[in-house]
Amino acid sequence: AQSVTQLGSHVSVSEGALVLLRCNYSSSVPPYLFWYVQYPNQGLQLLLKYTSAATLVKGINGFEAEFKKSETSFHLTKPSAHMSDAAEYFCAVSAQGGSYIPTFGRGTSLIVHP
Amino acid sequence: NAGVTQTPKFQVLKTGQSMTLQCAQDMNHNSMYWYRQDPGMGLRLIYYSASEGTTDKGEVPNGYNVSRLNKREFSLRLESAAPSQTSVYFCASREGQFYGYTFGSGTRLTVV
Repeated sequence: AQSVTQLGSHVSVSEGALVLLRCNYSSSVPPYLFWYVQYPNQGLQLLLKYTSAATLVKGINGFEAEFKKSETSFHLTKPSAHMSDAAEYFCAVSAQGGSYIPTFGRGTSLIVHP
Repeated sequence: NAGVTQTPKFQVLKTGQSMTLQCAQDMNHNSMYWYRQDPGMGLRLIYYSASEGTTDKGEVPNGYNVSRLNKREFSLRLESAAPSQTSVYFCASREGQFYGYTFGSGTRLTVV
């Protein structure tokens, strides 16, 4: 079985501050991990993915995430928040045991203050 | 590229009415999926089609049916709508199991 937990349903940062969105996963086999972003009234858009290559993955819009097997984590970071980063962010995990169909976390809403 | 196109974008139904949500993708993807999104619940898989001619149940299939009409199109049908089916519905497709999804823009359904 696979599962994913996103710590914090809301994260608030000031413009220019570090963004850190937390994701922990559970999987009995090597996982594939994804981060998606959802802007208001839109569908989800893939930010980045980890599929067993480099553990530090760079995505679009300056975001990156690091796969840490020992901590079962895949936290999303961005050095400097921009107002346009305000959105809902979803972490997802897929693995062989789940037929590689992703299980999504409940999402974290990123609020950016001027 | 249009990507994944969903119709309609909004719909209001009365309890007991039926409707079909349409989804089409133009990326030649084999796999297509239907999810529902409810506040604080993330995305939950309703049905999926790993390839043309096959469909399988997801986490929350009750009250829904699907049809993979051809490689491009995957429809979701509510036979007798219930207020619990009020949600935002997303269709998605992907090239293969190691790839991320491409999502449509969603259908916001309200059942009264």
